[in-house]
Amino acid sequence: AQKITQTQPGMFVQEKEAVTLDCTYDTSDPSYGLFWYKQPSSGEMIFLIYQGSYDQQNATEGRYSLNFQKARKSANLVISASQLGDSAMYFCAMRVTQGGSEKLVFGKGTKLTVNP
Amino acid sequence: GAVVSQHPSRVICKSGTSVKIECRSLDFQATTMFWYRQFPKKSLMLMATSNEGSKATYEQGVEKDKFLINHASLTLSTLTVTSAHPEDSSFYICSARAQARTYTFGSGTRLTVV
Repeated sequence: AQKITQTQPGMFVQEKEAVTLDCTYDTSDPSYGLFWYKQPSSGEMIFLIYQGSYDQQNATEGRYSLNFQKARKSANLVISASQLGDSAMYFCAMRVTQGGSEKLVFGKGTKLTVNP
Repeated sequence: GAVVSQHPSRVICKSGTSVKIECRSLDFQATTMFWYRQFPKKSLMLMATSNEGSKATYEQGVEKDKFLINHASLTLSTLTVTSAHPEDSSFYICSARAQARTYTFGSGTRLTVV
């Protein structure tokens, strides 16, 4: 089964510190993509970072980096120098192919709270 | 970057009426769009995949006659909730597949059926 697991319902971090949000995935496809999205209370889904299964290096986008460990099937998101505006829901997602068409499968999400 | 516009952002309707939600790709052509439903404090649940010029593909358990999807052009997909009932109240959000196999989301529609 193609599945994304986020085991942390909620995480707390102090402003300016780094935080890691966990994500593990399960797929038998050799080609897949992993995404992280941020969803603030307003509801929109903001794309943060992408990692392809064949990418040799871990993806980075500003303060966001993806710790991709293929053998462990994990794709943890690291946010450095947390800011108050980082408080939101964070979703890990995997692009899968089912029935000949592609779609995203989402984890249950992690609610991040950044404390001043 | 790729932008997807979704309207309306909020809608309140009476039970038994129909509501149409629009999803437009503003600066790219989207042959495939996706419609999700999200319950409070829950994850996104894929409802259907909308393909331009053809019938939508619905996920198991989603009533195709209640949730009508039309993808008439490369930039517009619509979701119509027909004969809405209070249990249809939810957050609906669309997504379009842009270049490089990335996915851009609309801002979502909060539907309340009274």
